[in-house]
Parts: sequence; structure tokens; C-alpha cells
Amino acid sequence: EAGVAQSPRYKIIEKRQSVAFWCNPISGHATLYWYQQILGQGPKLLIQFQNNGVVDDSQLPKDRFSAERLKGVDSTLKIQPAKLEDSAVYLCASRGAYSNEKLFFGSGTQLSVL
Amino acid sequence: TQLLEQSPQFLSIQEGENLTVYCNSSSVFSSLQWYRQEPGEGPVLLVTVVTGGEVKKLKRLTFQFGDARKDSSLHITAAQTGDTGLYLCAGGPLISNFGNEKLTFGTGTRLTIIP
Repeated sequence: EAGVAQSPRYKIIEKRQSVAFWCNPISGHATLYWYQQILGQGPKLLIQFQNNGVVDDSQLPKDRFSAERLKGVDSTLKIQPAKLEDSAVYLCASRGAYSNEKLFFGSGTQLSVL
Repeated sequence: TQLLEQSPQFLSIQEGENLTVYCNSSSVFSSLQWYRQEPGEGPVLLVTVVTGGEVKKLKRLTFQFGDARKDSSLHITAAQTGDTGLYLCAGGPLISNFGNEKLTFGTGTRLTIIP
């Protein structure tokens, strides 16, 4: 079974530039999450989708971050403009529709903002 | 806001030794999960505990959920170099809408097993 796919694996940009991350969840998984993991810390939820609808984006810095999940499958997360403090690993995770189902994570995109 | 504090933050021990890491909160959780994350990879689920006082064993790993469902521990017996990684606990909220819960992740314990 294919896992959660993310790209790119690494991205280096300068502050004030824009960047986008892509996630392809496990086939059939209705729920998709984007997490931000700063070095040495646990993942912090940015946004949760159920199919193509946003369930929770309370911790998403909406002045610079945006995310979409068109057609309820792939998702993209964008940062515009990036700040130094956005340097982190961005993890995508997916699971089935029920809350007691196992959560699967992708390998993440490591972002460095210089 | 529900917070999960893990201790110790860093742990480095010799292969063959035993260790325990802790996950504590002032909030009550409906369930508690433990993940292991290796460098360059996403977290991988190890276990889910849902009942206060529950103990689960996974080979050399023993997981316990506190009676009050506010804390948990992970005990590793005879640690091996393959146990090296970042261990994360994550709590599920006590009250949530169907499918709309969000996990709160702990601060993590970085474990290094020295050969």
C-alpha cells in the first residue's frame, strides 16, 4: 500500500519569497492534516480537511499561509511571504473518515528560510 | 489549550539498559497515542491506549495510561540501537465532534541508544 506522498523533500528560500508544498494522501482517506514541526518540538496542527472541506484552521496564520484540497484528494500548502520563523518540517498526514482510525504521516518537507 | 509535557527532553543510554519516558498533562484525554519518529521521516504510530489504567505491551515496549487519563509512560526494556528516535505522545480530546477531533502532540523525547 502506498503511503502519504509529499514533495519537495527539501526547500531553501529567502525571506519574503513564496513556497508551496504538495501532499497526496493514502487512497480513500477522507481526512487530511498539515502539521508544522519546528526542530526539537512536537508537530503542531495547521489545518484539517475532511474531504475537500476545512474542519479546523484555527492555528493557521491566515495572513501568510493558505491551503486547499480541491476534489478532496491532493492538497497544497502555501506560504506567502515566508518569514525566518517558518523554517520547519511541514508534515502531511491522512486517515480514514473515523476518528479512531490510524493516522499515517508523510516524510515531510524541510523548509529553510534564509 | 491542552498541553502535553514529555520528560526527559533528551535521553542517552547504553544498549541493554532500561528506560522510561513520561507524558504529562493537566487535561484529561479520551485516548493517548505514542509515536516514534526517525530523522527525515514522519512519526509512526506505535500504540493507542484508551482506558484509564490500561497497559499495553509491544515486544520490549510497555505503555501505560494513567488512571485519570492525564498521563502516560513508555518503558523500554533492554534498549537496542534501533530504538533510537524521537518519541512523541499525542492526546485525543475528551469531547469532540465526529471526525473533527485534533490530536495534541507532546514536546517529544529524543532517545539515543549508544552501542
